[in-house]
Amino acid sequence: QVQLQESGPGLVKPSQTLSLTCTVSGGSISSGNYYWSWIRQHPGKGLEWIGYIYYSGSTYYNPSLKSRVTISVDTSKNQFSLKLSSVTAADTAVYFCARASGYGDYLHSFDYWGQGTLVTVSS
Amino acid sequence: QSALTQPASVSGSLGQSITISCTGTSSDVGSYNLVSWYQQHPGKAPKLMIYEGSKRPSGLSNRFSGSKSGNTASLTISGLQAEDESDYYCCSYAGNSNWVFGGGTKLTVL
Repeated sequence: QVQLQESGPGLVKPSQTLSLTCTVSGGSISSGNYYWSWIRQHPGKGLEWIGYIYYSGSTYYNPSLKSRVTISVDTSKNQFSLKLSSVTAADTAVYFCARASGYGDYLHSFDYWGQGTLVTVSS
Repeated sequence: QSALTQPASVSGSLGQSITISCTGTSSDVGSYNLVSWYQQHPGKAPKLMIYEGSKRPSGLSNRFSGSKSGNTASLTISGLQAEDESDYYCCSYAGNSNWVFGGGTKLTVL
């Protein structure tokens, strides 16, 4: 059973960079057919896809966040990470890591999720 | 891109059926058979319920079903049970390796 676990600071100051790591267990991040994703949820709001990465390093980002987002992968540690720069209070949210699943390059859903971690942007 | 449109809330009695709609555009829901649905209990991670519009993950109750017509996808839950009370979110592929979610629907079981 694949499990994902987010880790990182719960408080970030405005204008700084938010950094989170997702550790994958129960399966290799280098397995084909999966993209490793970040999704966030503003307090009391809906979900927002941030982006995802393939184990080879190929990345795809939400156009609305693309200028501030970097997702990277460390296959030796079975981890992938999120960096979001120049944060403001509007970036306060619960951040989830998730596995996007499908067939080859055809993805159809996010089938495994971490429990989520609340990141608050405040001075 | 804009979020998909879902009703803020729906309700139904135990044993009854309800349907939650998810309206997008011809650029997302209408163009791809890649709508998925997620159940999220308070403080928990979302759980995949439906993918590719109508397919259920292995082991999921057949009380949950999905469909699509034009730019609108729907999730139907039959034989409502108390544990179905939750928030539900739709999601669609929107092209160019981009994904969009709905605003969520709160289901109340009466």
